[in-house]
Amino acid sequence: QKEVEQNSGPLSVPEGAIASLNCTYSDRGSQSFFWYRQYSGKSPELIMFIYSNGDKEDGRFTAQLNKASQYVSLLIRDSQPSDSATYLCAVVRDSSASKIIFGSGTRLSIRP
Amino acid sequence: DAGVIQSPRHEVTEMGQEVTLRCKPISGHNSLFWYRQTMMRGLELLIYFNNNVPIDDSGMPEDRFSAKMPNASFSTLKIQPSEPRDSAVYFCASSFIAGAFTDTQYFGPGTRLTVL
Repeated sequence: QKEVEQNSGPLSVPEGAIASLNCTYSDRGSQSFFWYRQYSGKSPELIMFIYSNGDKEDGRFTAQLNKASQYVSLLIRDSQPSDSATYLCAVVRDSSASKIIFGSGTRLSIRP
Repeated sequence: DAGVIQSPRHEVTEMGQEVTLRCKPISGHNSLFWYRQTMMRGLELLIYFNNNVPIDDSGMPEDRFSAKMPNASFSTLKIQPSEPRDSAVYFCASSFIAGAFTDTQYFGPGTRLTVL
């Protein structure tokens, strides 16, 4: 079992709809969770981070964390073609605060 | 701030040659990470440093890979001898870590390595 798992996609969503990206993790002691966006040929860039159970909203983006179920999700409202990218989920394990584990990423495609 | 700086941006070399990748982290950050990304394996952590000291190099694929951080503003990743399977994009990232608090990792633009 991978430490951080994501569906590789591609996930195709019509423009203007809500895109939902999911991620599960295996280490129950994990404390910090990050979503990165990576455009083709570019480096990953941080979109959001979340530490506490519940929802965290930032503009069109909402991160949701459920530690009991060990999943974290990212919702993108009013999807735009510019949101088409690969989204990487990343988790910092409690046992090693400085080691971040990345999922393999979900490729999102927003169709006009 | 200029962000994380990596050089070269592209490197093409022949099998058996030595390759050195360079990274300058963001000023004030105390942790530096080297990653490798391929289509098959995704983003893999190779090694990370905290306060210039290597903390975890379990991701380094084999003895052909070595990394150094002689000071807080510079790190190198060396591959000797290089092999075609080393072809990948190599990212350097930096962050600030204090105790159990981990700040965001900021990635450099990457070095695209092709070994012929």
